[in-house]
Amino acid sequence: DTGVSQDPRHKITKRGQNVTFRCDPISEHNRLYWYRQTLGQGPEFLTYFQNEAQLEKSRLLSDRFSAERPKGSFSTLEIQRTEQGDSAMYLCASSPFGRGAYNEQFFGPGTRLTVL
Amino acid sequence: ELKVEQNPLFLSMQEGKNYTIYCNYSTTSDRLYWYRQDPGKSLESLFVLLSNGAVKQEGRLMASLDTKARLSTLHITAAVHDLSATYFCAVANMDSNYQLIWGAGTKLIIKP
Repeated sequence: DTGVSQDPRHKITKRGQNVTFRCDPISEHNRLYWYRQTLGQGPEFLTYFQNEAQLEKSRLLSDRFSAERPKGSFSTLEIQRTEQGDSAMYLCASSPFGRGAYNEQFFGPGTRLTVL
Repeated sequence: ELKVEQNPLFLSMQEGKNYTIYCNYSTTSDRLYWYRQDPGKSLESLFVLLSNGAVKQEGRLMASLDTKARLSTLHITAAVHDLSATYFCAVANMDSNYQLIWGAGTKLIIKP
């Protein structure tokens, strides 16, 4: 399967703990996005990378959230000192971007986070 | 600031009927995307619309784009139960490296 993969698929943690999620994009895609989605809402943009460069981070995003894409391939999203309000589905997407590419984003299966 | 509005937000319909979902956006863009999401699942790309007058069809779904009116439609023909899902439109923000701005989604329930 050459689609976007995410790990883990589910994570249950206690408030105050740190969690880290991984995303492996489609290999030839240079852009990688992180979104958060809560029940009944559309995806909320968190951050995105073009290759290894983090180009934008949502202004609404707490400093407890950090993301990396060290070699321009896989990415990790870390949430420090989790709060109950962080409970959501975390989605990763990748896209080709550049001449002739239309930035169509392909999504992974998501990581569902529950903070107790 | 680019804003995207979908309507209706909820639609319940009978199998066999036709209906249209609307996606309006507030500033100029030349790319619009439609996605489908089943409950508890991730998003699946349906259509990419790249120019004024673009029309794409896949099975019972047809999407169109009018960039002058800043409007896209997703038309469902002779709906079947399997099309029950939430449908999102997303518009590329040309002022922000073509990031996608998402609509709130239309939850579609098709009753057998």
